[in-house]
Amino acid sequence: GEDVEQSLFLSVREGDSSVINCTYTDSSSTYLYWYKQEPGAGLQLLTYIFSNMDMKQDQRLTVLLNKKDKHLSLRIADTQTGDSAIYFCAEVYGQNFVFGPGTRLSVLP
Amino acid sequence: DAMVIQNPRYQVTQFGKPVTLSCSQTLNHNVMYWYQQKSSQAPKLLFHYYDKDFNNEADTPDNFQSRRPNTSFCFLDIRSPGLGDTAMYLCATSRGSAEAFFGQGTRLTVV
Repeated sequence: GEDVEQSLFLSVREGDSSVINCTYTDSSSTYLYWYKQEPGAGLQLLTYIFSNMDMKQDQRLTVLLNKKDKHLSLRIADTQTGDSAIYFCAEVYGQNFVFGPGTRLSVLP
Repeated sequence: DAMVIQNPRYQVTQFGKPVTLSCSQTLNHNVMYWYQQKSSQAPKLLFHYYDKDFNNEADTPDNFQSRRPNTSFCFLDIRSPGLGDTAMYLCATSRGSAEAFFGQGTRLTVV
């Protein structure tokens, strides 16, 4: 079955770059997504990448996709305290968005 | 402006007392989803509507049901909530398999 894996925790210092990694299993996924969840809130779509792309940049966010290794990463440049949250990677399997377990990003002053 | 609205944001219900959570959308998306998210876990799909077609996940308890009276609204009914149903319930919408937009969630506590 489908499975999405992420490391559970990441700590960075304010101003540094954060890199959150994800591996997925369904090679037929057309889109792969990154969502952000702040405490007590719903999921906010951050960005997505189409499966025929290698990289997508959106302001401070850079998504890299390695289809061969089924590896997706999210880089946040100049990480701020407001970036502290849980980040979920997701692939679409059928009509189901399958989420990874989430990476809790802590930004230290 | 909020595009996927869930009500209420917080709900406390007694063990065994039926409860209904609501979701509305202004995006005119044809797909609506209900996810359950327990503490420190990823969201888990309960079911979704593709247009009027209802799709239940195999491991969704019978206790959970859903209604979609029109494109804009979708309801989650929990017939006899148990303590284990305490969770955040997230509604989402999408157009086909494009990106899903989530509401703010309803935090349900069963006491």
